[in-house]
Amino acid sequence: DTGVSQNPRHKITKRGQNVTFRCDPISEHNRLYWYRQTLGQGPEFLTYFQNEAQLEKSRLLSDRFSAERPKGSFSTLEIQRTEQGDSAMYLCASSFNGNTIYFGEGSWLTVV
Amino acid sequence: GENVEQHPSTLSVQEGDSAVIKCTYSDSASNYFPWYKQELGKRPQLIIDIRSNVGEKKDQRIAVTLNKTAKHFSLHITETQPEDSAVYFCAATSGTYKYIFGTGTRLKVLA
Repeated sequence: DTGVSQNPRHKITKRGQNVTFRCDPISEHNRLYWYRQTLGQGPEFLTYFQNEAQLEKSRLLSDRFSAERPKGSFSTLEIQRTEQGDSAMYLCASSFNGNTIYFGEGSWLTVV
Repeated sequence: GENVEQHPSTLSVQEGDSAVIKCTYSDSASNYFPWYKQELGKRPQLIIDIRSNVGEKKDQRIAVTLNKTAKHFSLHITETQPEDSAVYFCAATSGTYKYIFGTGTRLKVLA
């Protein structure tokens, strides 16, 4: 499968723990995006990378969230000191320049 | 700020009938409008898109229309089938990185 790959697909964690999600974009895609989706809502933009540079971070993202794309290929999204309100599906997407974005299957986070 | 409104939130149609979903955007700089279909627990998948230099685009049973003056665009599905049942999201972007999504329409096609 040459699509966007995310793991883990599901994560249940206790409040206060840290979690990290990984995204492998479609090869040759230089842009990588993180979105968050809760039940009944459309995806909400979190952050965006062009190659290894993080060019914008949404105000939705508190200081507990950090994302990296160290070599311009895969990316990680870390959430520190998780809270119940962080429970959501975290979607990664990629594109080549400003063309259509393609989503991964998402990583479901449940904070208990 | 930028906003995309989508209606209706739920839509039930009989198999074989048509379904229409409408979206309105606020950012007049928006120039690309994709539609995504999302089945339960799955990724959003692109089904059709339209750019601002085109008024209508069709792909088999799916079509999208765009009215730039009114800042709205619509998804039309004809001859609906049970496998069309899913949540559909519209989105708008000005060609940068940020896609603004609508809140989704849950389509149910009744056999």
